[in-house]
Amino acid sequence: NAGVTQTPKFQVLKTGQSMTLQCAQDMNHNSMYWYRQDPGMGLRLIYYSASEGTTDKGEVPNGYNVSRLNKREFSLRLESAAPSQTSVYFCASSGWRTYEQYFGPGTRLTVT
Amino acid sequence: QKEVEQNSGPLSVPEGAIASLNCTYSDRGSQSFFWYRQYSGKSPELIMFIYSNGDKEDGRFTAQLNKASQYVSLLIRDSQPSDSATYLCAVGDSGYALNFGKGTSLLVTP
Repeated sequence: NAGVTQTPKFQVLKTGQSMTLQCAQDMNHNSMYWYRQDPGMGLRLIYYSASEGTTDKGEVPNGYNVSRLNKREFSLRLESAAPSQTSVYFCASSGWRTYEQYFGPGTRLTVT
Repeated sequence: QKEVEQNSGPLSVPEGAIASLNCTYSDRGSQSFFWYRQYSGKSPELIMFIYSNGDKEDGRFTAQLNKASQYVSLLIRDSQPSDSATYLCAVGDSGYALNFGKGTSLLVTP
């Protein structure tokens, strides 16, 4: 099993450009999450999907949208990238009625 | 605001010693507690979780939870240089979201 996979691994965008970060898991987990990690700020939740068909805002949702495409896939979209969105983005997943989250390898995004 | 506090470190321990990492949390309704290890440039890796008061042991790792004091700790016995990493404490309530501390940097010196 690959666990949680993310694409791309690295990305450089110009201010105003859009992009979608992809996440997939093969653990048959119900819940999926998007976090960003910034130096000195720790991991902060952007959005999560408790189950297929539902999404909810986390601590820092502004400037992002998400789509739970199916049980396996959860994407994060930046419609108009800003330098403040320069960060490392992690996707995670957890199983039904368990709260242990397992993380993907991350996407390092730079917005110039 | 649900706070999870950790000493940023670095915590330096000699090889073979016990490393003790601590975490306090503000939400008395918290029900689930996790320790993640994160090597530089890598993603967080779940190493321990605990839901009930007391101790939970897994190999060289022991998680300790005291809900009355709102305190959770991680002990690493026989510390190895490969244990050098940042350790993240995460706390959850009855929902799905976890609140993470900013992490404690551990350095194990040969």
